[in-house]
Amino acid sequence: GESVGLHLPTLSVQEGDNSIINCAYSNSASDYFIWYKQESGKGPQFIIDIRSNMDKRQGQRVTVLLNKTVKHLSLQIAATQPGDSAVYFCAEIYTSGSRLTFGEGTQLTVNP
Amino acid sequence: DADVTQTPRNRITKTGKRIMLECSQTKGHDRMYWYRQDPGLGLRLIYYSFDVKDINKGEISDGYSVSRQAQAKFSLSLESAIPNQTALYFCATSDLSESTDTQYFGPGTRLTVL
Repeated sequence: GESVGLHLPTLSVQEGDNSIINCAYSNSASDYFIWYKQESGKGPQFIIDIRSNMDKRQGQRVTVLLNKTVKHLSLQIAATQPGDSAVYFCAEIYTSGSRLTFGEGTQLTVNP
Repeated sequence: DADVTQTPRNRITKTGKRIMLECSQTKGHDRMYWYRQDPGLGLRLIYYSFDVKDINKGEISDGYSVSRQAQAKFSLSLESAIPNQTALYFCATSDLSESTDTQYFGPGTRLTVL
C-alpha cells in the first residue's frame, strides 16, 4: 500500500547565496521565539532567538525577523554553506507556561 | 550537545516490552523535557518537569511515564511498547534563571518497536 506522511517544505539554494526560511506562528501571546537547526541523526541545535518586543535580531551570518502583525517569523542565512544543510524549526514560547511549540520545519539543501 | 546525554542511542524492541530511556545533564538546569519526533513532523512534548518534585503531562503522554530521579536525571518509560511508538525521542533541558528559558536538546534515541 501507499505510505502516507507529511512532507516538509523544502528550500534548495546554491552555495554562497542567501537563504530565507519562513515560519508562521499561532499564538499572538507568545513572547519569545527560537530558531533551531537539526542535522540528520542529531538533536535540534539552538541558532538564534528573538523576543516579541523586537523586530529584528542579528547573529553570526543569521538574522531573524519578526512580524507580529501577521504572526510571521523568518530566518535569513547569509552566504549559505553546505554545512547549513539541515531541517530548520521555528518555535514559540508563551513564557508564563514555558511550553515550547514547534513549527513543522523546513528542509534546507545547499548545492555546491 | 555533550551537556545533555541520552542512553541508549538506538533500541529495537518487541511489542509489549517495557522500555526505559534515560537522560542526564550536566548543565545544572532545573527543567527537563521529553519529546518524540516522527518522520516529517516537528517535535511533540510527552512530559516535562520543572524540578525534582514536579511532573507534568505534555500533549501526548498516553502510553508513557517518567521519573525525575535527581535534578540531573529524567527517564522516560514505555510500560508496554507498541509499534506506533516507533520514533526518535529527544530529551531537553532549560534553566528558569535564563530569562529566555531556551531549551537545549540531547542527541536523541532512535526507538523501533516491532
